[in-house]
Amino acid sequence: DSGVTQTPKHLITATGQRVTLRCSPRSGDLSVYWYQQSLDQGLQFLIQYYNGEERAKGNILERFSAQQFPDLHSELNLSSLELGDSALYFCASSPLAGGTTDTQYFGPGTRLTVL
Amino acid sequence: GQNIDQPTEMTATEGAIVQINCTYQTSGFNGLFWYQQHAGEAPTFLSYNVLDGLEEKGRFSSFLSRSKGYSYLLLKELQMKDSASYLCAVDPAGGGNKLTFGTGTQLKVEL
Repeated sequence: DSGVTQTPKHLITATGQRVTLRCSPRSGDLSVYWYQQSLDQGLQFLIQYYNGEERAKGNILERFSAQQFPDLHSELNLSSLELGDSALYFCASSPLAGGTTDTQYFGPGTRLTVL
Repeated sequence: GQNIDQPTEMTATEGAIVQINCTYQTSGFNGLFWYQQHAGEAPTFLSYNVLDGLEEKGRFSSFLSRSKGYSYLLLKELQMKDSASYLCAVDPAGGGNKLTFGTGTQLKVEL
């Protein structure tokens, strides 16, 4: 158990809908990261927040957005869902904003299925 | 940009040693991570190499050559529970911590 929690564990929804995934980082960690893992793409970095502010951005779609709240938990919002958005979504956390000793620890993931 | 290559699959025997290679081409580089991921589960941290050379941690060791853009993960005394995907990830230079992952090497340990 990494100490990172994610809810829900599974989510099934229809195309065109909007969902929110939630992540609580390890105690004391200030950075939260979101990743998407699909069968054909591997683990893809979406976005990083550090202490409430966006820190780094990957190939995140405009239909996706995220935020980090004052208590440091984070939410990933996915809207206008498409079949191709079906994937495992992982959250990770680390103590710092980045750097040579800043290891990321992953949560158990949310499996999103879009029908 | 970043490009990371790992073998797709490997098979090894219980009790043996296996080496999983990773080559990378990147415009910036802080270091390289190795993660283990069992099917449907979270990636778990194994090692992080910044400097050239071998880092040993129990049955697992990781090697880095920055000049050659090359790393390997060495697993000794293989156990059945080591059957998993092993992900190599580059930690780029610059702000943030946006890891770029390889597609992973699926290791199967057989009796």
